[in-house]
Amino acid sequence: EVQLQQSGPEVGRPGSSVKISCKASGYTFTDYVMNWVKQSPGQGLEWIGWIDPEYGSTDYAEKFKKKATLTADTSSNTAYIQLSSLTSEDTATYFCARWGNYYFDYWGQGVMVTVSS
Amino acid sequence: DIVMTQGALPNPVPSGESASITCQSSKSLLHSNGKTYLNWYLQRPGQSPQLLIYWMSTRASGVSDRFSGSGSGTDFTLKISSVEAEDVGVYYCQQFLEYPLTFGSGTKLEIK
Repeated sequence: EVQLQQSGPEVGRPGSSVKISCKASGYTFTDYVMNWVKQSPGQGLEWIGWIDPEYGSTDYAEKFKKKATLTADTSSNTAYIQLSSLTSEDTATYFCARWGNYYFDYWGQGVMVTVSS
Repeated sequence: DIVMTQGALPNPVPSGESASITCQSSKSLLHSNGKTYLNWYLQRPGQSPQLLIYWMSTRASGVSDRFSGSGSGTDFTLKISSVEAEDVGVYYCQQFLEYPLTFGSGTKLEIK
């Protein structure tokens, strides 16, 4: 059974960074691209970017290029997103989602990040 | 970026009635290969989104045949033939013709 297990809620101070994990199981981690999606409180879904765990290649939406850094550890089948220079605009739930070639076929449970001093 | 615009539903929708959710893209999602690069997802309250429809009209595995997708290159419809309590949530369309991948703003379905 495919599962994407994300880490727990995070609280970060303005200007700091947080790093969220997404541990994959039930499939070959390097066979699928992993995406990250942001959902601000009460809002819709916003694509952040993807990482190919096999090669480490990445692509980002323009607005997240200076905000997010995607990495992957193939030894632990875990994808990460680091969010830097946190502001209140970064308060949101962040999902990892596997790209099954033409669609997001599996999603993590989401991680709530709260930016607060 | 391709902008996805979704319509609203006349909530609440009576149980057993049909509901149609519209989605419009700022660019045709019809590829030269004949396929339309549009997906539909449902996000139930407190849950992660789940895939309903891909390639505009193909139901995902396990999805009820009460759900159907249709459309042209820029105008799309997700139809729920007979709404049930479990259909409550927010529906999103998403294009994958180009990066960045973009979603509609979501359409909320409430049941009466």
